Amino acid sequence: NAGVTQTPKFRVLKTGQSMTLLCAQDMNHEYMYWYRQDPGMGLRLIHYSVGEGTTAKGEVPDGYNVSRLKKQNFLLGLESAAPSQTSVYFCASSYSNPGGNQPQHFGDGTRLSIL
Amino acid sequence: AQKVTQAQTEISVVEKEDVTLDCVYETRDTTYYLFWYKQPPSGELVFLIRRNSFDEQNEISGRYSWNFQKSTSSFNFTITASQVVDSAVYFCALSELATDKLIFGTGTRLQVFP
Repeated sequence: NAGVTQTPKFRVLKTGQSMTLLCAQDMNHEYMYWYRQDPGMGLRLIHYSVGEGTTAKGEVPDGYNVSRLKKQNFLLGLESAAPSQTSVYFCASSYSNPGGNQPQHFGDGTRLSIL
Repeated sequence: AQKVTQAQTEISVVEKEDVTLDCVYETRDTTYYLFWYKQPPSGELVFLIRRNSFDEQNEISGRYSWNFQKSTSSFNFTITASQVVDSAVYFCALSELATDKLIFGTGTRLQVFP
């Protein structure tokens, strides 16, 4: 009954370091998403994927890269972390696009601090 | 363009009071979906309800009810007899039929005091 699992849950980085956030879902969902949540801003879409091997830019893609090599995994990479990327990151997945009447299922979030 | 506005940044009530969270949306599509999510202090996002643009019937689930009015582009959420466990941030979201994206409002923080 795992659903959407994000790894790690917390991380502190120094400016300029790189890291990868992992999202795994066991619901055989086609669509996966990465959001960031900042105070007063709600959730903003970074990148998303409509299927294995595909990725697309969302609202705030700069400074991030993603990969969807396997259907169940969606990776979010920060090549050179900046303090402005301090945020809580959420991964989500859905069976089809939101317009297809399917809600998104969210992971528990990753709290990332860039010093 | 899509847009979701939750004008109430924070609401505080005393337990057992009724409270309504407002959500106003903008879209050019005739077919779209509206959602509410709850984010309790523990941080996870919990799906509450989904409504399509062709179904304007109000919905009630226990103490929760939703009022969808296309004429005013609103999808408001009411909690009856609020409880401390209702304390959370509540997000309204919109998706158009043709897109792959969910647009969130900025959220309303609800604090219910005993």
